[in-house]
Amino acid sequence: EVQLLESGGGLAQSGGSLRLSCVASGFTLSSFAMSWVRQAPGKGLEWVSGISFSGASTYYADSVKGRFTISRDNSNNTVYLQMNGLRAEDTALYYCARPRSAAGPYYEYAMDVWGQGTTVTVSS
Amino acid sequence: EIVLTQSPGTLSLSPGERATLSCRASQSVSATSLAWYHQKPGQAPRLLMYGASSRATGIPDRFSGSGSGTDFTLTISRLEPEDFAVYYCQKYGSSPITFGQGTRLEIK
Repeated sequence: EVQLLESGGGLAQSGGSLRLSCVASGFTLSSFAMSWVRQAPGKGLEWVSGISFSGASTYYADSVKGRFTISRDNSNNTVYLQMNGLRAEDTALYYCARPRSAAGPYYEYAMDVWGQGTTVTVSS
Repeated sequence: EIVLTQSPGTLSLSPGERATLSCRASQSVSATSLAWYHQKPGQAPRLLMYGASSRATGIPDRFSGSGSGTDFTLTISRLEPEDFAVYYCQKYGSSPITFGQGTRLEIK
């Protein structure tokens, strides 16, 4: 079964750091670009970051640029999101998501596989 | 950045009725790069439509999508109880990808 499992969320203080992980199973992670998408409590979906299948290209929303870093370890089927300089407005459920087709940049296809998310809470 | 605006914000209908959800883009979007998702409480989003009018795997044919340019529509021909959820449109095909703010489809 194709699955994504996020972890690493928790409570952090404003200005603090967290590292999220997304472990893939049931498919070859190294063939797919990947994304992180977040959802603040009671709000809609916001794309946060994307990474190419090799990790050579990374993309960020303006709201997190310079503070968050996406990376991947294809040998361990894992995508990461390092979050530094956390702010209250980063409080959200963070989803890892896979595009419906392999190859191409993260934005090439709609996302057909989503994890269940990991919750990040930033206290001020 | 392309902004997607969904309407209405909330749609109240009964099972068996037809639902029409709208997504308007601030600039022209390729029809091959418009998707729809729905999200039920406590669950991750689920892909319904891609390329504006292609159903994702396992999506019943009561769901259909249409549109071009800046105006796109998701239609649910006969609502089933499991269809009541929040619906999001998404623009992809270039970075950044963006989502609409959502339409809540609730039982009347």
